[in-house]
Amino acid sequence: AQSVTQPDIHITVSEGASLELRCNYSYGATPYLFWYVQSPGQGLQLLLKYFSGDTLVQGIKGFEAEFKRSQSSFNLRKPSVHWSDAAEYFCAVVRRTGTYKYIFGTGTRLKVLA
Amino acid sequence: DTAVSQTPKYLVTQMGNDKSIKCEQNLGHDTMYWYKQDSKKFLKIMFSYNNKELIINETVPNRFSPKSPDKAHLNLHINSLELGDSAVYFCASSIRTGGSTDTQYFGPGTRLTVL
Repeated sequence: AQSVTQPDIHITVSEGASLELRCNYSYGATPYLFWYVQSPGQGLQLLLKYFSGDTLVQGIKGFEAEFKRSQSSFNLRKPSVHWSDAAEYFCAVVRRTGTYKYIFGTGTRLKVLA
Repeated sequence: DTAVSQTPKYLVTQMGNDKSIKCEQNLGHDTMYWYKQDSKKFLKIMFSYNNKELIINETVPNRFSPKSPDKAHLNLHINSLELGDSAVYFCASSIRTGGSTDTQYFGPGTRLTVL
């Protein structure tokens, strides 16, 4: 079955530290890949997406993600975290053919220490 | 100039009641979606409409009935509410479906609490 795994339910980092959030997917073929952020009490906002081409994707707010086909991963990174980055982060995939349906991971809650 | 809006933002009601949540998008998108986010933050698609036509209907109880009067609106009506319906419901839209490169834009969510 198709699935998206975010192994870390919670992550705590200090402000200014680097961040990496993990995402692994299980699909028959490489899907389209997304990262969304959900701030407290808010809807989801797209950070970045990967469809093809360069496997290192730049997004908004200083985030980037790297697609690694061999590892079926799409990890999100930020070199220096800001307190405002505290939020819930969701990885999502969409199959390249058939019904356009997002499958979301279970999310990683990021806490930033001052 | 809100892109995807939902009303109400909060909804508290008793078991057995019928309630509706409304969603509107002003992005000119053809496709709209309803998602349910449970208490563990798990986000799952419920329905999708493309130009007022139902295209995705996950295994959702038939107490849930989406209605799309036009492509800018997708409402969700829930009959005979149950405790397990308590969740945050998100509406989203995208330019079209079948174009997998299309980004989905989410509304702010409606937190439904069933007592």
